[in-house]
Order: sequence, then structure tokens, then C-alpha cells
Amino acid sequence: EAGVAQSPRYKIIEKRQSVAFWCNPISGHATLYWYQQILGQGPKLLIQFQNNGVVDDSQLPKDRFSAERLKGVDSTLKIQPAKLEDSAVYLCASSLREGNSPLHFGNGTRLTVT
Amino acid sequence: DAKTTQPPSMDCAEGRAANLPCNHSTISGNEYVYWYRQIHSQGPQYIIHGLKNNETNEMASLIITEDRKSSTLILPHATLRDTAVYYCIVRATSGTYKYIFGTGTRLKVLA
Repeated sequence: EAGVAQSPRYKIIEKRQSVAFWCNPISGHATLYWYQQILGQGPKLLIQFQNNGVVDDSQLPKDRFSAERLKGVDSTLKIQPAKLEDSAVYLCASSLREGNSPLHFGNGTRLTVT
Repeated sequence: DAKTTQPPSMDCAEGRAANLPCNHSTISGNEYVYWYRQIHSQGPQYIIHGLKNNETNEMASLIITEDRKSSTLILPHATLRDTAVYYCIVRATSGTYKYIFGTGTRLKVLA
């Protein structure tokens, strides 16, 4: 099966600019997650979708970050305006359903904010 | 916060078994133990999970103590390709079932 697809692979922007990341989960996976991974740390959950509804966005900085999952398939994560501390790898993951289904991760988008 | 404690780093000789410990002393009855690994510049990769019985698959074995307060991931014959950061996660399968990652164990397999 095809894995989780993410684009772009790398992005460099200046602070106060905006940026968007795209994720296409594995076909049929109902649950989609966005994680932020700062260098040297484990991934931190930003938002979790079940189909096209938000299950958990408690860690999402909503003043600058937004995410959507239209039609319950693809998802986009946006940052506007970006800050230096947003430099990180943004990982998308999907799972077949809630419960004990394991996560399948994409290879992420590495964002550098200068 | 992560509910697990892992050593920050370990070394293992190529061809030997790598035993990675994880402490999860506050684990609840409905929480599973999951293991993932992350090779440089890639997303985390699922390895194995279990509730209370030992589990084995083509990648690894998971040994969970009887009181479920700790577990060990065993890579039976480590290769250089197993060099990665290994994450141990406890996760409920009902209610709030977030995957919360800690900082993991950086395993280095030595030639």
C-alpha cells in the first residue's frame, strides 16, 4: 500500500510569512494527525482528526496555526504568521481507525523560519 | 507529558541482541504499550504493541512485566540499519487515546 504522502519536503521562509503543508493519508484511514517535532525532541501532537471532524486540537496554537481536512481525506496545516520558534519538522500520520490501530507516518516537512 | 521513562542512549554491537527498557509505572489497565522507531530524516515507524502478554513479530519482541510497570523491546540480531531513536508510548484505546511521545532512546549499533 502507498504510504502517507507529505509535501513539500523542505520549506524556508522568513518570519511573519505564511506557509502551508499538505498531507495525503493512506487510503481508507479515518484518523489523521499532525505532529510538530523540534530538533532533539519527540513529536508533539498538534491536532487529531476523525474523518473530517476535529477530535483534539488542545496543543494547536490557534492564533497562528490552522488545519483542515476537507472531505475526510487530504489535510492542510497552515501557519500565519510564522515565528522563528516554528522551525521544526511537521509530521502527518494516519491510522485505520481509533482504538489500537498503529500510526503510519509520512516523512514530514522540514520548515526553517529565518 | 509522556508517561514513560527511557534511557537517553544505548550502544549495541552488530549481530547482538539489543534490549531497550521502558518504565511505565503509572500505566492504567486499559493502556497498551507501543514501540516506534525513527531513523534519521524519516517519520516514526511502528514496531510492535502489547497489553499484557509478550508479543513477537518479524521486527522485534516485546516483553511486558507481570505488573505491567515496565517493558523491554528486543531486537534479536541488531544491524547497522537498526540505528535509530526508539520511542516507548503508553496509550489507552478508549477515552482520550493520544499518542504522546517522549524523547526516546537513541540506539547506536556498532560495527
